[in-house]
Amino acid sequence: NAGVTQTPKFQVLKTGQSMTLQCAQDMNHEYMSWYRQDPGMGLRLIHYSVGAGITDQGEVPNGYNVSRSTTEDFPLRLLSAAPSQTSVYFCASSWDGSYEQYFGPGTRLTVT
Amino acid sequence: GESVGLHLPTLSVQEGDNSIINCAYSNSASDYFIWYKQESGKGPQFIIDIRSNMDKRQGQRVTVLLNKTVKHLSLQIAATQPGDSAVYFCAEGGGSYIPTFGRGTSLIVHP
Repeated sequence: NAGVTQTPKFQVLKTGQSMTLQCAQDMNHEYMSWYRQDPGMGLRLIHYSVGAGITDQGEVPNGYNVSRSTTEDFPLRLLSAAPSQTSVYFCASSWDGSYEQYFGPGTRLTVT
Repeated sequence: GESVGLHLPTLSVQEGDNSIINCAYSNSASDYFIWYKQESGKGPQFIIDIRSNMDKRQGQRVTVLLNKTVKHLSLQIAATQPGDSAVYFCAEGGGSYIPTFGRGTSLIVHP
């Protein structure tokens, strides 16, 4: 199993550009989440999904959209990038009923 | 919202010593507490969790202690090794199975 994969690993955007961060898992997990991690900070929840077709907002959803059309994929879209969105983004997946999340390797995003 | 935090941002220990990483939480309604380890340049990795109706749980070289009276959680690592150097996060959950993470503490193990 590849586990949780994220692409790209690094990305530089200009203010106002849009892009999609990809996340995929091959463990048939129901739950998937997106977090951002800023220097010296913990992980803050952006959006999450408890199954295909079901998404909900986390702590910091503004400026981001998600969809979950399949169990495997959970892309995160930045609508109009801002410097405040410079961060490392982690995708995670887990079984329903478990707090054991499996994290991807992260995407380091810089917005100039 | 209520937060999960850590007492110490950095902990330095000698190889072979036992390490204790502390965490204070404020949401008394949380029913699970979880520890994650994040090595440099990687995503966090689950270590161990404990349910709120327990006060101690042991894993391989790790023990988590929960004191609900003072809302305190700790992770003890026995015989700390250089490979244990990482940032450790405590997190809490209230039934949604989506944890809320604290800020993290850095553990540095000196050979």
